[in-house]
Amino acid sequence: AQSVTQPDIHITVSEGASLELRCNYSYGATPYLFWYVQSPGQGLQLLLKYFSGDTLVQGIKGFEAEFKRSQSSFNLRKPSVHWSDAAEYFCAVGAGNNDMRFGAGTRLTVKP
Amino acid sequence: SAVISQKPSRDICQRGTSLTIQCQVDSQVTMMFWYRQQPGQSLTLIATANQGSEATYESGFVIDKFPISRPNLTFSTLTVSNMSPEDSSIYLCSVVRGNTEAFFGQGTRLTVV
Repeated sequence: AQSVTQPDIHITVSEGASLELRCNYSYGATPYLFWYVQSPGQGLQLLLKYFSGDTLVQGIKGFEAEFKRSQSSFNLRKPSVHWSDAAEYFCAVGAGNNDMRFGAGTRLTVKP
Repeated sequence: SAVISQKPSRDICQRGTSLTIQCQVDSQVTMMFWYRQQPGQSLTLIATANQGSEATYESGFVIDKFPISRPNLTFSTLTVSNMSPEDSSIYLCSVVRGNTEAFFGQGTRLTVV
């Protein structure tokens, strides 16, 4: 079965600084990859997804992620972080059969 | 996209009691999923609810503890039975569209005292 690792439990960045959240996956075939954001007290919102094609995908709120098959990675990036980006971020991998696995999550703190 | 309405949004319950969480989707879906998110943890799949058949439970979860109903293609309930403080979590329902993209309800924050 597929699995996801998010190596960073907690990251703190200053407002306006760039951000990269790491995600590594394990799956034998081409995976479906997702990044979700969970703000305090909220459900999960999809930021972006990768199914096939261009390995650099653009999402909402200025986020992007790059699929690197050679590194089994799907890191999330944002060039300039805003205070409202403080949240929990989850990477997920799907096998195309409705079976999704989530990483442990990375908590983002934004310093003023 | 999918609009998922989940209620209650939060509750505080006495140990030994049960709580039923409702999930309503704005359109028909074959499968609905129930997740648990324990404090500071990621999402763990509890079970998959198919309309017209028994729910399929993941390892570590049993029907007696988490009975699920799926009376039609837009609605499901999850009951947390005989609750203990260890059941304090966020419970989320989810549907998948296009066989790939998951949408989530707002979650139910349960505290057992």
